[in-house]
Amino acid sequence: DTEVTQTPKHLVMGMTNKKSLKCEQHMGHRAMYWYKQKAKKPPELMFVYSYEKLSINESVPSRFSPECPNSSLLNLHLHALQPEDSALYLCASAWGAPAVYSNQPQHFGDGTRLSIL
Amino acid sequence: AQKITQTQPGMFVQEKEAVTLDCTYDTSDPSYGLFWYKQPSSGEMIFLIYQGSYDQQNATEGRYSLNFQKARKSANLVISASQLGDSAMYFCAMRENTNAGKSTFGDGTTLTVKP
Repeated sequence: DTEVTQTPKHLVMGMTNKKSLKCEQHMGHRAMYWYKQKAKKPPELMFVYSYEKLSINESVPSRFSPECPNSSLLNLHLHALQPEDSALYLCASAWGAPAVYSNQPQHFGDGTRLSIL
Repeated sequence: AQKITQTQPGMFVQEKEAVTLDCTYDTSDPSYGLFWYKQPSSGEMIFLIYQGSYDQQNATEGRYSLNFQKARKSANLVISASQLGDSAMYFCAMRENTNAGKSTFGDGTTLTVKP
């Protein structure tokens, strides 16, 4: 079992639907990340939250909207997605202090497999 | 900018034998960490091993060891006594002390262990 919990594990939605992906961790990590991963490719960073503030947005389309309600939770709100948005969405967390970024691993959830019809 | 290169898209190894997965990197930051992750077909990304840029000794974790050659900017993963359950995609990644600690990943190597 992973220490980062993502729900749902699978999601099928139409292009006009609104849905949310959820990520939760209780390791006290203060940096949380959303990645998108296509099959046989490396994860692509979408967003970074550091101490509950959006720190990095990698020019992600506005149909993806992140939210960090508290230090343990990270949401990704989805609206009007396109078929090319079908992918595995991974959440990760890590210690947030800049002095220790480089010597601490990111901890990943199991991911949400998203299919857009 | 940081860059990770994994030149082996796919590798095969016989069960119980050792295998080396290659990783080279490029960065201008003197302080960085190198990580290897395993991703089975089920999708979860599993942290395997870490090597710090200032570490003098190569990291080891059970059957995993990291052959770190700083001057050559390489951080190869060695898996000893391969098992069928080692069949997965393996990613080499680097974190720096900037940019909110985001990771740069290589393209990955798919390892298949043959019985």
